[in-house]
Amino acid sequence: DTGVSQNPRHKITKRGQNVTFRCDPISEHNRLYWYRQTLGQGPEFLTYFQNEAQLEKSRLLSDRFSAERPKGSFSTLEIQRTEQGDSAMYLCASSRTGLFNYGYTFGSGTRLTVV
Amino acid sequence: AQSVSQHNHHVILSEAASLELGCNYSYGGTVNLFWYVQYPGQHLQLLLKYFSGDPLVKGIKGFEAEFIKSKFSFNLRKPSVQWSDTAEYFCAEDTGNQFYFGTGTSLTVIP
Repeated sequence: DTGVSQNPRHKITKRGQNVTFRCDPISEHNRLYWYRQTLGQGPEFLTYFQNEAQLEKSRLLSDRFSAERPKGSFSTLEIQRTEQGDSAMYLCASSRTGLFNYGYTFGSGTRLTVV
Repeated sequence: AQSVSQHNHHVILSEAASLELGCNYSYGGTVNLFWYVQYPGQHLQLLLKYFSGDPLVKGIKGFEAEFIKSKFSFNLRKPSVQWSDTAEYFCAEDTGNQFYFGTGTSLTVIP
């Protein structure tokens, strides 16, 4: 499977704990994006990388959130001191820059439940 | 700020009915527009995209969309829906750095 892979698929954690999600993009894609989606809403942009550089972060991304893409391949999204409001589906997408935008390829997401 | 509006939140249709889902975008510059579909329990999948040229864009599964610049619209259409089209549909615009998604339209097709 050469799609975007996200791990884990589901995560249940107690409030206050830290969690980390991983995203493996399509190998030839140089851009990687993180989105958050809650029930009944469209995906909300969190941050994106071009290669290993984090180029943009949304104001939605509080100081408790950090994302890395150390070698320009896979990426991790960490949430520290989780809150119940962090419960959502966290989506990763990748794309290839070029003359045209070919559209994003999304992973299946990681569903986080904070109890 | 850029935004994408989808005015139909929930649409219910019988099989074989025609479908039109509204989408309005606000970005005034060069815009790339997309429709994504999310079937129950599955990830977002690209239905179709518009960059330039023919404003009538054909996508997968018989879907098409028409870009009308004067109306800032990119409505999704299908002449005859099937039960398997039951899903959430998202319109999105790409301004160069990120996508802005609409809130989605939930389509239920009754057999």
